[in-house]
Amino acid sequence: QVQLQESGPGLVKPSETLSLTCVVSGYSISSDYYWGWIRQPPGKGLEWIGTIHHQSGGTYYNPSLKSRVTISVDTSKNQFSLNLRSVTAADTAVYYCARPKHILTGNDAFDIWGQGTMVTVSS
Amino acid sequence: EIVLTQSPATLSLSPGERATLSCRASQSVSIYLAWYQQRPGQAPRLLIYDASNRATGIPARFSGSGSGTDFTLSISSLEPEDFALYYCQQRNNWPLTFGGGTKVEIK
Repeated sequence: QVQLQESGPGLVKPSETLSLTCVVSGYSISSDYYWGWIRQPPGKGLEWIGTIHHQSGGTYYNPSLKSRVTISVDTSKNQFSLNLRSVTAADTAVYYCARPKHILTGNDAFDIWGQGTMVTVSS
Repeated sequence: EIVLTQSPATLSLSPGERATLSCRASQSVSIYLAWYQQRPGQAPRLLIYDASNRATGIPARFSGSGSGTDFTLSISSLEPEDFALYYCQQRNNWPLTFGGGTKVEIK
């Protein structure tokens, strides 16, 4: 059974970098699936952040965040990471990692989700 | 970017009633639309993908239809656990986008 678990600091100061990790269990991150990040500000809707594929190196980012986002994969730890630079209060949200439903498909629905981790941007 | 507009924002119904949720896209997304359910404090759960395909383990009372720009999620007979938030998401174009959500609440 594939499981995803996010981890990282729950509080980040404005202008600093938000760094989160998603540990994947029950499946090799080096496989043919893409892996993604989605966020949800308190009381608001869902926003796709970006998606990565380890084998091809293909990475897709939301244009609204592209200048500040980096997603990477660490195969040795079977995990992938999100770095969001120069954060402001508007980046306060629950951050989810997720896996698309179909193999070799980056632009897809997400059928496996982590439980989410709340990150607050505040001094 | 494709904008998804969900309506109504809130749907007040009683258990056993039928729910009909709408998602309209700003341009055609073919059949590449998904629906999710989100209960308070939980991650979204995939219900329907590619407009009409139920995801694994999703009860038959959930059904999806539509193509192009207009899509519908139907719940044939509401169970207590179905009162939740519902989101649509398109995968036809980058960036992936979600609708603003419909809350199904107990009347």
